[in-house]
Amino acid sequence: NAGVTQTPKFRVLKTGQSMTLLCAQDMNHEYMYWYRQDPGMGLRLIHYSVGEGTTAKGEVPDGYNVSRLKKQNFLLGLESAAPSQTSVYFCASSTTGEVAEQYFGPGTRLTVT
Amino acid sequence: AQSVTQPDIHITVSEGASLELRCNYSYGATPYLFWYVQSPGQGLQLLLKYFSGDTLVQGIKGFEAEFKRSQSSFNLRKPSVHWSDAAEYFCAWYSSASKIIFGSGTRLSIRP
Repeated sequence: NAGVTQTPKFRVLKTGQSMTLLCAQDMNHEYMYWYRQDPGMGLRLIHYSVGEGTTAKGEVPDGYNVSRLKKQNFLLGLESAAPSQTSVYFCASSTTGEVAEQYFGPGTRLTVT
Repeated sequence: AQSVTQPDIHITVSEGASLELRCNYSYGATPYLFWYVQSPGQGLQLLLKYFSGDTLVQGIKGFEAEFKRSQSSFNLRKPSVHWSDAAEYFCAWYSSASKIIFGSGTRLSIRP
């Protein structure tokens, strides 16, 4: 049981380049989330999904797009990377319900130069 | 605005000493509160959560937290820390639509 996996683990981009981060979960969870973590700011929610085919904006959605074509996958896209998007990105998933535990992936460290 | 605040950015305690990490919340009703731990280079793991009922909550790895409405606090405690407890700890609260809002974190270092 792999839980939540993220691909890639590390990436360096030049300003203006695009990329997609892949999150996969094998726990049949309905909800999935993308966060970014910056020093001193905790985790901030970028986008989330409450089911296959649905997405919604979180706290800091600008500059990112997401898709949830399959229940087990949640993709985060950067169309035109900016240095301000240098961060560690975490994916998480959970079952339905108000207080369900979120299970986190190991993170992707992205540097935009 | 509703939020959680972790006033301590970094705490160092000696191995074997007791630990208390502070978390204050700002919310009108009784919030749903969580503590997560992040070991270096890892994702976050749930330590414990509070919804209602008994205000003293037991979690994994020997941690506990106490919900105090009068002080708007949900502090994390451990009676005796181990070197493996060195990590970053996040207090969080349930917002809406299964969204959790995280505090800024407290980094815990252990002195040998």
